[in-house]
Amino acid sequence: DIVMTQSPDSLAVSLGERATIRCKSSQSVLYSSDSKNYLAWYQQKPGQPPKLLIYWASTRESGVPDRFSGSGSGTDFTLTISSLQAEDVAVYYCQQYYSTPGWTFGQGTKVAIK
Amino acid sequence: EVQLVDSGGGLVQPGGSLRLSCAASGFTFSSYWMSWVRQAPGKGLEWVANIKQDGSEKYYVDSVKGRFTISRDNAKDSLYLQMNSLRADDTAVYYCARGIGVVTSYYFDHWGQGTRVTVSS
Repeated sequence: DIVMTQSPDSLAVSLGERATIRCKSSQSVLYSSDSKNYLAWYQQKPGQPPKLLIYWASTRESGVPDRFSGSGSGTDFTLTISSLQAEDVAVYYCQQYYSTPGWTFGQGTKVAIK
Repeated sequence: EVQLVDSGGGLVQPGGSLRLSCAASGFTFSSYWMSWVRQAPGKGLEWVANIKQDGSEKYYVDSVKGRFTISRDNAKDSLYLQMNSLRADDTAVYYCARGIGVVTSYYFDHWGQGTRVTVSS
């Protein structure tokens, strides 16, 4: 199985500042035939199910604010919140869907307000 | 509006069984791969099992193979997870999730609210 490792495990950012979360996969999730990175990002608030934010590494899900962006390719990916809002306090997970069956998630990154 | 409603969780003794259900609405259920994903208390997300649109393909994480069975009833727009020989480390919130993507390479665009399973004596 592909192992997904996120960093940091937690971070505290001031309101309006940038938050950056990294996700590294143990092998490439870039599929050469379609040049797509099979990586998604989710947000989970306390007591709620995960919510899809980003898929294909950089495509924002409908309705997701544009302060959320995804980037990267191959094995190294980043989720950026350009201007942190209070409602963005949550745990964020990356997930690879390149190696299936065997969908795997990162361990999660907890984002708090400084 | 897409809705997934999970149910069937509860407290069960080690070695016992439970059947989880997920009622789908707001989309053509029979057109999507469906999955179960679980989250142990204070832990991250773990994919458990999934099933193809017509039920002809099923996959499981190694830790549940031979104990859990995923199934679906497209006439009732419902997904199920039969869990047998439950162990303490199966304690988690179980979510059903809809898969979307390319063939078997998909991410999860809608999730149920989750149902809690506690395995304890």
